[in-house]
Amino acid sequence: GAVVSQHPSWVICKSGTSVKIECRSLDFQATTMFWYRQFPKQSLMLMATSNEGSKATYEQGVEKDKFLINHASLTLSTLTVTSAHPEDSSFYICSATTGGGGNQPQHFGDGTRLSIL
Amino acid sequence: QQQVKQSPQSLIVQKGGISIINCAYENTAFDYFPWYQQFPGKGPALLIAIRPDVSEKKEGRFTISFNKSAKQFSLHIMDSQPGDSATYFCAASMGGGFKTIFGAGTRLFVKA
Repeated sequence: GAVVSQHPSWVICKSGTSVKIECRSLDFQATTMFWYRQFPKQSLMLMATSNEGSKATYEQGVEKDKFLINHASLTLSTLTVTSAHPEDSSFYICSATTGGGGNQPQHFGDGTRLSIL
Repeated sequence: QQQVKQSPQSLIVQKGGISIINCAYENTAFDYFPWYQQFPGKGPALLIAIRPDVSEKKEGRFTISFNKSAKQFSLHIMDSQPGDSATYFCAASMGGGFKTIFGAGTRLFVKA
């Protein structure tokens, strides 16, 4: 149980392109979803928290116009990297929880490796 | 005050040995302490978690020891296997929509 599917797993695109990443909870309803960015050999950096039907809460330093998050349903959240540039290349991971985002386990997707040429 | 300090940064253990990873926190309001295991190119997977009302939790070869007064908790992997080679993250969170704070991670390598 508690499976989170993330798609695509790998994307390569040209600079200036917008890229959409999907995160789906397959067997549970996700009250809260999180989006992380991870650099090689580093920890998870929280980018934003999204609750179904409301605007995402972005962490300090994360450009909300650059990283658009939509949590349209209890099973789907999307991250769109708009006008991507090489510095946006990274490993993006989503997670979902049934709780209020606090003291409940997070279930992670397998990540999306984004490479901008 | 919101940090979770994790050590060591990397760890090499012989097959069959015990792997020990330590974490420390400052905020006494944290009430949920999970450990995640991450293989290269994959997302983290919940391994085991503990709440501060117990001092130890064991699941198979994995044990969390929790010291509330010292504000420390640790992961013990008994009979370590090469398949346990991965990066391990400790974390801490609390209710009320508070975000989860992750440690810096420990890269474990178990030698066959």
